[in-house]
Amino acid sequence: NAGVTQTPKFQVLKTGQSMTLQCAQDMNHNSMYWYRQDPGMGLRLIYYSASEGTTDKGEVPNGYNVSRLNKREFSLRLESAAPSQTSVYFCASSEFGRAGANVLTFGAGSRLTVL
Amino acid sequence: GENVEQHPSTLSVQEGDSAVIKCTYSDSASNYFPWYKQELGKRPQLIIDIRSNVGEKKDQRIAVTLNKTAKHFSLHITETQPEDSAVYFCAASINTNAGKSTFGDGTTLTVKP
Repeated sequence: NAGVTQTPKFQVLKTGQSMTLQCAQDMNHNSMYWYRQDPGMGLRLIYYSASEGTTDKGEVPNGYNVSRLNKREFSLRLESAAPSQTSVYFCASSEFGRAGANVLTFGAGSRLTVL
Repeated sequence: GENVEQHPSTLSVQEGDSAVIKCTYSDSASNYFPWYKQELGKRPQLIIDIRSNVGEKKDQRIAVTLNKTAKHFSLHITETQPEDSAVYFCAASINTNAGKSTFGDGTTLTVKP
């Protein structure tokens, strides 16, 4: 049981380049999320998907797009990368109802550097 | 939207001492308060959580307390050990399907042997 798997683990981009972060979960969870983590700023929600076919903006959506490809997969795209998007990105999933709580299961993270 | 403030940002204790981390939240509709532990270079993982109909919850050496009126909740770690050294995040959310969790900025706990 892999849980939440995200790729790539590391990526270096030049300003203006595009890339897609991939995330997949095998826990049959309905909800999936993308967070970014910057030093001293905790985890900030970029986009989330409550269920297959729906996506919504979080706190910091500018510069990003997402696709909920199916129940398992939720990708994050940077169309034109900027140095301000240098961060560690975490994908997470949750299944409300398990013990009645919205517990997040995180992937291992993707460290992105934009030069 | 929800705003979560977490204090202190860094905390250093001697092994065996207790550690307390405090968080406040702004949205009175929030009703689920998890705590996540993130070891260096690893992913955050849930260590304990509390719902708004409960005032305190314990799990071995860790406990969480909630004061709904004051909109604050705290993590208590007793008999700290070096392996407790990590970054701890509090969060607040409305406990529904896809309830968005808003995180505090984190507390770096260092337990000195």
